[in-house]
Amino acid sequence: AIWMTQSPSLLSASTGDRVTISCRMSQGISSYLAWYQQKPGKAPELLIYAASTLQSGVPSRFSGSGSGTDFTLTISCLQSEDFATYYCQQYYSFPPTFGQGTKLEIK
Amino acid sequence: EVQLVESGGGLVQPGGSLRLSCAASGFTVSSNYMSWVRQAPGKGLEWVSVIYSGGSTYYADSVKGRFTISRDNSKNTLYLQMNSLRAEDTAVYYCARDSYSSGYMDVWGKGTTVTVSS
Repeated sequence: AIWMTQSPSLLSASTGDRVTISCRMSQGISSYLAWYQQKPGKAPELLIYAASTLQSGVPSRFSGSGSGTDFTLTISCLQSEDFATYYCQQYYSFPPTFGQGTKLEIK
Repeated sequence: EVQLVESGGGLVQPGGSLRLSCAASGFTVSSNYMSWVRQAPGKGLEWVSVIYSGGSTYYADSVKGRFTISRDNSKNTLYLQMNSLRAEDTAVYYCARDSYSSGYMDVWGKGTTVTVSS
């Protein structure tokens, strides 16, 4: 199985800030990476797939980059509705695995 | 509207069984890869099982031999039969559609809660 290290586990920021979340793989996965947002008590929602492709309906302040082993999710200008937990997921090899999650909280 | 609705969760004793259902609307279950993903209380996401459009099934090592994924094409519904349940199976269980059978999940249900406790 591919090991994933997502960091930081907790991120404090303010509305309007630019934030980045990292996801590092134990081996290369090309661009087979997705990012999800999850709010308390809700199901995850797909934000980005193929490392950098924005899912339909997702605001353009979200962006993804990277390939191989290092990936980044960037939120360019935080809005109040963005405070949530974010997960990366690799789908390069079986079984699909998720990062440990990054909780984005209001500073 | 594309939608998934899970049901069947509840409280069950260790060693017991439960069957989860996931009713789909707006798309055809049998034409897609469909997965179950779970989330233990306060924890992250864990992939559990997948059924491919061709019918092949796969499981996480943690549930292999105890859980069975299936579908009823006439009802457009996905199932997860869970046997020999353990305390560590306690979680919210989500069904999800694999987008274009690619491996990432673009449609999720709201989840159903399974609690394994005596």
